[in-house]
Amino acid sequence: QVQLVQSGSELKKPGASVKVSCKASGYTFTNYAMHWVRQAPGQGLEYMGWIYTNTGNPTYAQGFTGRFVFSLDTSVNTAYLQISSLKADDSAVYYCVAFDLGDYWGQGTLVTVSS
Amino acid sequence: IVLTQSPGTLSLSPGERATLSCRASQSVNNNYLAWYQQKPGQAPRLLIYGATSRATGIPDRISGSGSGTDFTLTISRLEPEDFAVYYCQQYGNSRTFGQGTKVEI
Repeated sequence: QVQLVQSGSELKKPGASVKVSCKASGYTFTNYAMHWVRQAPGQGLEYMGWIYTNTGNPTYAQGFTGRFVFSLDTSVNTAYLQISSLKADDSAVYYCVAFDLGDYWGQGTLVTVSS
Repeated sequence: IVLTQSPGTLSLSPGERATLSCRASQSVNNNYLAWYQQKPGQAPRLLIYGATSRATGIPDRISGSGSGTDFTLTISRLEPEDFAVYYCQQYGNSRTFGQGTKVEI
């Protein structure tokens, strides 16, 4: 069965970096793009962009350029989201999503940025 | 494309009908409009795709309609498990989400 399993919660200080992982199983990883969605506490869903898993080519939505980087390790069927120069506003749950496969979501990773 | 959902909150009782609106700032290509339900502490669940098609396992009391820029999610008779937050998403031009409608008792 299709599963997207994300890494655990992170507590980071402002200015630090964080790398969230999303390990896929149950399907051919390189056949479907991986998307990322952010949800700040008590807020709505924000689409961050996607990465083509066959080429590694990322596309970032407006507001998610510069400090946000999508990457892959296809040898272990894993997608990554790295955020640098963390700010308090980056505190959120981050989801990886295989929309094109039939709408599979990871369980979410809570990133908390606090001094 | 900006999606605007209304109302922000819908206060209803079990058994009542819920009508949620999603308006797009420009026409949604191919009516690629989806609806999601989210409960606290859970990832969103797909309800409707292509504006009108139910996802697997979604009961027929939940339906989607609309085209172009105006879309509606209707829950004909609210069950206790339907009280949640609902989001629309367009996927005809990249992807964007609406801000959500909370359906509360």
